[in-house]
Amino acid sequence: QSALTQPASVSGSPGQSITISCTGTSSDVGGYNYVSWYQQHPGKAPKLMIYEVSNRPSGVPDRFSGSKSGNTASLTISGLQAEDEADYYCSSYTSSSTVVFGGGTKLTVL
Amino acid sequence: QLQLQESGPGLVKPSETLSLTCTVSGGSISSSSYYWGWIRQPPGKGLEWIGSIYYSGSTYYNPSLKSRVTISVDTSKNQFSLKLSSVTAADTAVYYCARHRFKYYYDSSGYLDWFDPWGQGTLVTVSS
Repeated sequence: QSALTQPASVSGSPGQSITISCTGTSSDVGGYNYVSWYQQHPGKAPKLMIYEVSNRPSGVPDRFSGSKSGNTASLTISGLQAEDEADYYCSSYTSSSTVVFGGGTKLTVL
Repeated sequence: QLQLQESGPGLVKPSETLSLTCTVSGGSISSSSYYWGWIRQPPGKGLEWIGSIYYSGSTYYNPSLKSRVTISVDTSKNQFSLKLSSVTAADTAVYYCARHRFKYYYDSSGYLDWFDPWGQGTLVTVSS
């Protein structure tokens, strides 16, 4: 199974909004609403930020939102804050009853 | 509050078997609707799902690792374990365990969903 495609890096200034894309196929992202997003700070374990495309777990700021169109899912962070600087990974269920992750995106807050 | 903790050797020789255990505390591993998963991350690289297990022993594996992976569960100890055989330097990574949500429907279909929470991770280095 091939990894989902994410941009290697994105950046934004405090207060701005950024969007990270996650592109797959009709056999994963496009075929199911089981897409989730994880935030990982250096040396730390990943943290669930969005599940089932657009749902936020309790405790995750509403600045984080998710969406999907066709084979591409997106994570949007509005009102960017310095603490949002981290790596972000998407993942999806696949038609082979497996899970595939994206390659990860490094977010830099300028 | 559910917590997961990985344990096992930090150094494994090439061609040998990597063995790790994840201990679950603050909740039962026998919970319905949840599998228990292993994910790894080579230094400086992205996440790779290894596989997941239900308390009954039902498993799902990453096809690229399936021939070398065995995941097992011990409900009496509230633990699940990973064995990866014939390791090489490419298996050097931080290994994470996590609770893995499973969505099951009345028509017997089921879908692997999100991972939460995660253990802190343990670095395993493959080297002679």
